[in-house]
Amino acid sequence: GDSVTQMEGPVTLSEEAFLTINCTYTATGYPSLFWYVQYPGEGLQLLLKATKADDKGSNKGFEATYRKETTSFHLEKGSVQVSDSAVYFCALSDYSGGGADGLTFGKGTHLIIQP
Amino acid sequence: GAGVSQSPSNKVTEKGKDVELRCDPISGHTALYWYRQRLGQGLEFLIYFQGNSAPDKSGLPSDRFSAERTGESVSTLTIQRTQQEDSAVYLCASSPWAGQRNIQYFGAGTRLSVL
Repeated sequence: GDSVTQMEGPVTLSEEAFLTINCTYTATGYPSLFWYVQYPGEGLQLLLKATKADDKGSNKGFEATYRKETTSFHLEKGSVQVSDSAVYFCALSDYSGGGADGLTFGKGTHLIIQP
Repeated sequence: GAGVSQSPSNKVTEKGKDVELRCDPISGHTALYWYRQRLGQGLEFLIYFQGNSAPDKSGLPSDRFSAERTGESVSTLTIQRTQQEDSAVYLCASSPWAGQRNIQYFGAGTRLSVL
């Protein structure tokens, strides 16, 4: 079945550092890929998405490129801020298997940015 | 309301009791999803509705779990004879319709604690 693997945290960085959170996936077909973020005390919200190979999703300074050849969708940001502290989830949606139509999530990466 | 609303936000119950969790999707969204997040785990897909129909119930953990939806509105997730392993955050999401590329909008969740 489909699965998502992401680096587990917590990941602790200083403000203005470069961020990479790795995400790799396995899927039956050609999935759409997502990064969701959960800020403290809030619900999950979409950060960015990509629906086909080589697409780049971007939002709030974050970027991720859909790499079919390496089955990856790594999240990057050039200069993180304290306000980026949150839990980040990589997810995929794959309808080709004919099964359930929910998202398949990674376990989440807790990011802590120190001033 | 503007977003997905879930109630209650917290529920503490005794082992063996039944519980009902409620989800109000974004108005006009025909697709509705339920997920479970156990401590230290990723989100686990449970079931989705397109309208009031649930095409695939195979994600429900056991026959103690059931879900229903009234039209394209409120959904309830019922857990009968709760067990301690049911303790988790139950998340609901909705999207305009069920589709691989669609963004799912999440509620804040119901934290269930089974004593």
